[in-house]
Amino acid sequence: EVQLVESGGDLVQPGGSLRLSCAASGFTFSSFTMKWVRQAPGKGLEWVSFISSSGGTVYYADSVKGRFTISRDSAKNSLYLQMNSLRAEDTAVYYCARDRAWFSSGNYYYFMDVWGKGTTVTVSS
Amino acid sequence: DIQMTQSPSSLSASVGDRVTIACRASQGITNHLAWYQQKPGNVPQLLIYAATTLQSGVPSRFSGSGSGTDFTLTISSLQPEDVATYYCHNYYSAPYTFGQGTKLEIK
Repeated sequence: EVQLVESGGDLVQPGGSLRLSCAASGFTFSSFTMKWVRQAPGKGLEWVSFISSSGGTVYYADSVKGRFTISRDSAKNSLYLQMNSLRAEDTAVYYCARDRAWFSSGNYYYFMDVWGKGTTVTVSS
Repeated sequence: DIQMTQSPSSLSASVGDRVTIACRASQGITNHLAWYQQKPGNVPQLLIYAATTLQSGVPSRFSGSGSGTDFTLTISSLQPEDVATYYCHNYYSAPYTFGQGTKLEIK
């Protein structure tokens, strides 16, 4: 069974740091691109970050660029999100998600097909 | 950045009704559009990808249409278990934006 399990969420003070982890199982982790998506309390979904299967290509939402770093360790089948300089507006449930590749017009496109249950990050003094 | 705008923001319909949710992209994304369903307290689930392709296991009453900038999610006969918030999602290019969501309730 394909499974993603996030961990690392916690209550942290503004300006603090946190590292989220996502343990993957049931599929060949090293072959898939991955994403982080977050959802603030009572709000909609917000894409946070993308990482290629090799880890060589990463993208970030403007709201987290320069503060968050996505990474992966294929030996450990794990995805990470290092979050620094945290702000109150970073309070959210953070989901990791696996991408499915879709080849179209000479390019690959990646949409999320499996999501973890999420881990909660609260930034407050 | 590509902005995704859904309408309506909320919707109330009766069991058996045909329900339509619209999503508009601020620029063309060909067919690189997915729809997700998030039931209350649950994780988002993939319904449709490539604008029109139904994810395995999703009931056939769900369908998607559109290309370019205008897309539609249709539920042909609303069921009580369809109560959820629905999101369209651009995966054409980063940043991979979502619509603001459409909250669907039973009348």
